[in-house]
Amino acid sequence: AQTVTQSQPEMSVQEAETVTLSCTYDTSENNYYLFWYKQPPSRQMILVIRQEAYKQQNATENRFSVNFQKAAKSFSLKISDSQLGDTAMYFCALRRAGGTSYGKLTFGQGTILTVHP
Amino acid sequence: GAVVSQHPSWVICKSGTSVKIECRSLDFQATTMFWYRQFPKQSLMLMATSNEGSKATYEQGVEKDKFLINHASLTLSTLTVTSAHPEDSSFYICSTGTPVGLWAQHFGDGTRLSIL
Repeated sequence: AQTVTQSQPEMSVQEAETVTLSCTYDTSENNYYLFWYKQPPSRQMILVIRQEAYKQQNATENRFSVNFQKAAKSFSLKISDSQLGDTAMYFCALRRAGGTSYGKLTFGQGTILTVHP
Repeated sequence: GAVVSQHPSWVICKSGTSVKIECRSLDFQATTMFWYRQFPKQSLMLMATSNEGSKATYEQGVEKDKFLINHASLTLSTLTVTSAHPEDSSFYICSTGTPVGLWAQHFGDGTRLSIL
């Protein structure tokens, strides 16, 4: 069984500052994908960033970057130069890379991030 | 543009009514679709996996007779909440499965269901 844990129910940050959201996971798979999704008040699920487990290099997407520690099963998200539009609920998610469960995601509990002006 | 269309976006109905939610893939054939349920400020919980041409696979604790899933074509999966009650009020989201080795996954915009 796979599990994803986000231990920060809520976080807040001032505009233009940096914030880090934590995520740990557990899986018996050797090859898998990790994702961070953003869910704004509109409740659309928006992919922020992804990481393939076999890649050691941390993924980056503009202001978003991850710290992937495979041995520790940790996958944190860093948001630099926070913007008001970053206010949303953020989910860490895990997916097997193979097998028959194509696309089946296991989500963490979510972290509500509020960016203050 | 959207690659997965979910309809309706919001429905309010009386207790005892059955409600159908559609999830349509627009640009590709989706042999697998996933249905999630989300309560306010909580995570997405997988309800069932919908497979084209075969029976859906339900997660533990999800009543298959309550939540009927049909995936009759490669572009359409439907979730019917039968005899809905206020406790079924929730946000329902579908997403497509992906072939092995690929990562892209697409979500519908969700359906807010309110049972009075």
